Amino acid sequence: EAGVAQSPRYKIIEKRQSVAFWCNPISGHATLYWYQQILGQGPKLLIQFQNNGVVDDSQLPKDRFSAERLKGVDSTLKIQPAKLEDSAVYLCASSLGGGQGEQYFGPGTRLTVT
Amino acid sequence: AQSVTQLDSQVPVFEEAPVELRCNYSSSVSVYLFWYVQYPNQGLQLLLKYLSGSTLVKGINGFEAEFNKSQTSFHLRKPSVHISDTAEYFCAVSAGYSSASKIIFGSGTRLSIRP
Repeated sequence: EAGVAQSPRYKIIEKRQSVAFWCNPISGHATLYWYQQILGQGPKLLIQFQNNGVVDDSQLPKDRFSAERLKGVDSTLKIQPAKLEDSAVYLCASSLGGGQGEQYFGPGTRLTVT
Repeated sequence: AQSVTQLDSQVPVFEEAPVELRCNYSSSVSVYLFWYVQYPNQGLQLLLKYLSGSTLVKGINGFEAEFNKSQTSFHLRKPSVHISDTAEYFCAVSAGYSSASKIIFGSGTRLSIRP
């Protein structure tokens, strides 16, 4: 069974530039999550999708971050414009359902904003 | 709202020694509890989870955790660690039963194994 795929693995941009991350979840997983993991901290949920609908985006900085999950499969997370404090690893995860369901994580995208 | 506290940011131990990684949670409702492991440059992987039933939960790689409701704790233990256990460990809590429920992660404990 293929795992959660993410690209790119690494990205370096200057502040005020834009960047996009892509995630392909495990086939059949209805729930998709994007997390931000700042160095030395645990993952923080940015947005949770159930199929192609948003379930929770309460911690997504909507003035600069956006995410979509077209057709309930792949997802893209965008930052525009980036700030220095956005430097982090962005993790995508998927699960069959939320709550008690196990989340399967991708390898993450390490973003450095200079 | 729920929260998770991992009391130790780093835990150094010698190979083949026992280890305990501490986790306390806060929630006004019943919870599900998880331990995830993150190896260098990789995503997180589930070690074990407590949903209900027996308070002693066994996971992969010889790890186990005990749910203690009165102390609101879910400490992770292994009787004898190996070099390959070097990683970051995250405790997490979910307080919901619906598909909309989210998981809150602790700040992590870095386990370093000395030969």
